[in-house]
This record gives sequence, structure tokens and C-alpha cells, in this order.
Amino acid sequence: DQQVKQNSPSLSVQEGRISILNCDYTNSMFDYFLWYKKYPAEGPTFLISISSIKDKNEDGRFTVFLNKSAKHLSLHIVPSQPGDSAVYFCAASRFSGNTPLVFGKGTRLSVIA
Amino acid sequence: DAGVTQSPTHLIKTRGQHVTLRCSPISGHKSVSWYQQVLGQGPQFIFQYYEKEERGRGNFPDRFSARQFPNYSSELNVNALLLGDSALYLCASKPPDREYEQYFGPGTRLTVT
Repeated sequence: DQQVKQNSPSLSVQEGRISILNCDYTNSMFDYFLWYKKYPAEGPTFLISISSIKDKNEDGRFTVFLNKSAKHLSLHIVPSQPGDSAVYFCAASRFSGNTPLVFGKGTRLSVIA
Repeated sequence: DAGVTQSPTHLIKTRGQHVTLRCSPISGHKSVSWYQQVLGQGPQFIFQYYEKEERGRGNFPDRFSARQFPNYSSELNVNALLLGDSALYLCASKPPDREYEQYFGPGTRLTVT
């Protein structure tokens, strides 16, 4: 059973527009969520995270929103740039600091110039 | 600062053989985790080591083993390779002050024929 789900395998967005990537989770024990970006032939790169005590976290063009009641989070990228084209993974963890990350399957974002 | 390094980058093995993958964490990081990423899936947790002790193990058979050395580098060993072991093997290290944020290496692409 998948505890972290990214139901959109791919997404195409025009340069300059908003990209919205979605993630759902089933385990209510998760209390920390992260987004990673992955380019081909590279390891995942940490992008942004959010604790369950918050509902929003911003870092430049990237904003993550958390809706705990719906067990849903989303990553907004504004404005989207061609260099944002990559696979984005949503990951979740439990509060102990030592629990492993549980990843979704990823969403491939293509930003079209 | 050097990131997480992994060796080799690629390797091809035959079914039944044994393989050893190596990882060096970021300087100052004492925790190392191993993940397996099969094509089209998100990374799946295999092992975590902290201060040379195993702190967690994912749902992988006993053919998979790992260890961490006094300099915090780590090895992942896989015995009796199966075709299904073909994957990208990722190593990640965590900073002591931000336990949730894992920094990944570029991975080792293992192909079993």
C-alpha cells in the first residue's frame, strides 16, 4: 500500500505560469513533509519542507501548502522556468528524526518556453 | 563543500553475483541512509546507519546488508543478485541539526543481466 501518492505522473506548464504539483498521504502519523527535485543522472535535491504545525511555507518561487484534514499537500512554483523541468518527489516522515523518508512515485514537470 | 559521493557510477553484474556499493557522506554528517529507486518509482528505504549502528531497515531480503565505518562512509552489499535488483541505489546523509533533511548522492546505477 502506498502511503504517499502522487497521482499525476506528468505535468506540462507554460513558462511564466504557475505549476501546481499535488501529493496525498494516508498515514496520519506523518508530521513532516518534503519536496525533492530530481534531474536525470543526479540524486534527488532537497527543495522545500513543511512541518505539520504549519499550513504554508515559502521559499522564493516555491511554496508548499499542507491541508492536514485532507491529508494533502501541494507545491506551487511561480513563475515556472524551463530549468524547473525535472521529476518532483513528495516525501513524508514521522517525528523522531530517525524515521526514513517515504516517497511518492514522482511527477515529471515540463516547463515549455 | 563536497556533497555526498557514491561509487561506482554504473556497473553491470550477472545474476547470482555479489556487489558492493560505496558512499561518502557530507563532512560532519554522521547518519547515512540507503534507498533503492526502481524505474518509475520513488526511492524506497533500505537501511539507515548512525554512528556505525543500524538504526532502521526497510522491507528488503537478507541478501541486502550494509555497514558504516568510523569515518562515517558506508557500504551496501547485495548477494545473489536477481534481475529485479536492477535499480538506482541512492545514498543520503543527514545534518545533525536538521534531522529531517536528507542530502542525496548521484546514485549508482546497477544493471543485473
